[in-house]
Amino acid sequence: GAGVSQSPRYKVTKRGQDVALRCDPISGHVSLYWYRQALGQGPEFLTYFNYEAQQDKSGLPNDRFSAERPEGSISTLTIQRTEQRDSAMYRCASSTRDSDTQYFGPGTRLTVL
Amino acid sequence: GENVEQHPSTLSVQEGDSAVIKCTYSDSASNYFPWYKQELGKGPQLIIDIRSNVGEKKDQRIAVTLNKTAKHFSLHITETQPEDSAVYFCAASRVRDDKIIFGKGTRLHILP
Repeated sequence: GAGVSQSPRYKVTKRGQDVALRCDPISGHVSLYWYRQALGQGPEFLTYFNYEAQQDKSGLPNDRFSAERPEGSISTLTIQRTEQRDSAMYRCASSTRDSDTQYFGPGTRLTVL
Repeated sequence: GENVEQHPSTLSVQEGDSAVIKCTYSDSASNYFPWYKQELGKGPQLIIDIRSNVGEKKDQRIAVTLNKTAKHFSLHITETQPEDSAVYFCAASRVRDDKIIFGKGTRLHILP
């Protein structure tokens, strides 16, 4: 079946602009996670949801970052007033309630000029 | 919070030889330890995992060992093949439906 999908795959924006990154989890997956991966590093946790409830947002770097999952399926990660240091690969993962296995999407490569 | 250290950062082994990647973790409450393989341009993919009530787990050419007392765990790949070349990440998690803390990765090169 279809895996986790993310859009756009690539996003180039100018400093100061807002961006919205979308994640479509595997159908039926209850849990959804957002990570950020810098080049040559492991994924770094940002936030996660069970259904529509945001369970943990301790990894969000600052208040310019926010995420939502209003209907418990698709999630949007929004970065306001982007800065060059926000440039990274943003990855989404999902899992079922009964499993620890997280399935990762292909990521969105964000470049802030 | 949890901190996962991984080494080496780069590893080159001759095709057919074994590769070992080692990780340590800091949070004694962590009880789930997955290993992910990431190929160029792709997202991380789970290859094997182990829980804290088990000391070793094998799946064909891949095995993982866990020492809870010492808080370290290792990935062993035997009879390496060219398609094993990738970046491997160890990780740790406390409970189900919780965030995963990743190591910084090991770039594995399989030499012909």
